[in-house]
Amino acid sequence: RKEVEQDPGPFNVPEGATVAFNCTYSNSASQSFFWYRQDCRKEPKLLMSVYSSGNEDGRFTAQLNRASQYISLLIRDSKLSDSATYLCVVNTGRGYQKVTFGIGTKLQVIP
Amino acid sequence: NAGVTQTPKFQVLKTGQSMTLQCAQDMNHNSMYWYRQDPGMGLRLIYYSASEGTTDKGEVPNGYNVSRLNKREFSLRLESAAPSQTSVYFCAGGKGPLNTEAFFGQGTRLTVV
Repeated sequence: RKEVEQDPGPFNVPEGATVAFNCTYSNSASQSFFWYRQDCRKEPKLLMSVYSSGNEDGRFTAQLNRASQYISLLIRDSKLSDSATYLCVVNTGRGYQKVTFGIGTKLQVIP
Repeated sequence: NAGVTQTPKFQVLKTGQSMTLQCAQDMNHNSMYWYRQDPGMGLRLIYYSASEGTTDKGEVPNGYNVSRLNKREFSLRLESAAPSQTSVYFCAGGKGPLNTEAFFGQGTRLTVV
């Protein structure tokens, strides 16, 4: 089993739709979780951290489910500008070598 | 304030050639990283530098060397390029092992023929 697994998609959704992505992780000792956004042929940029209590930033909500070992990202009222690849990042907190990136989920918002 | 700057942005090498990818940050980060990104795979850590003067191997260090020249600069060298090193390379800086935000450079698209 991969350390971090994501559905690569693509997820094609109409503008205004709500879309959710999940990311599962295998190491129960994982301590830090993040969602990064990567536009086509660009560098990754931090979208949001994922806290145990969840995290909301405008139209974006991130949740952590430790029991089932997954994190989720919910995007409400999708905009064309949300089209990108969303990378899940998991850190076991045991040093620099233990930061694992998922392959990313591609989102395409359609007019 | 440029953040993290990588050069070059594109490069084509012949098998066996050498080159150095340059990275500089002006964000006063202690930690710097080199990643490679390949289709169907997540970013993989090649080398990292926790602080000036220290470097350590990441997940895929074979075929690469690094130098942390000073706090600002962290270079990646391919001594004898191989087609398997065709990839997109990202340098990043941060305060720690991604416990806080990491800032990435724009990437270097390297093709080895």
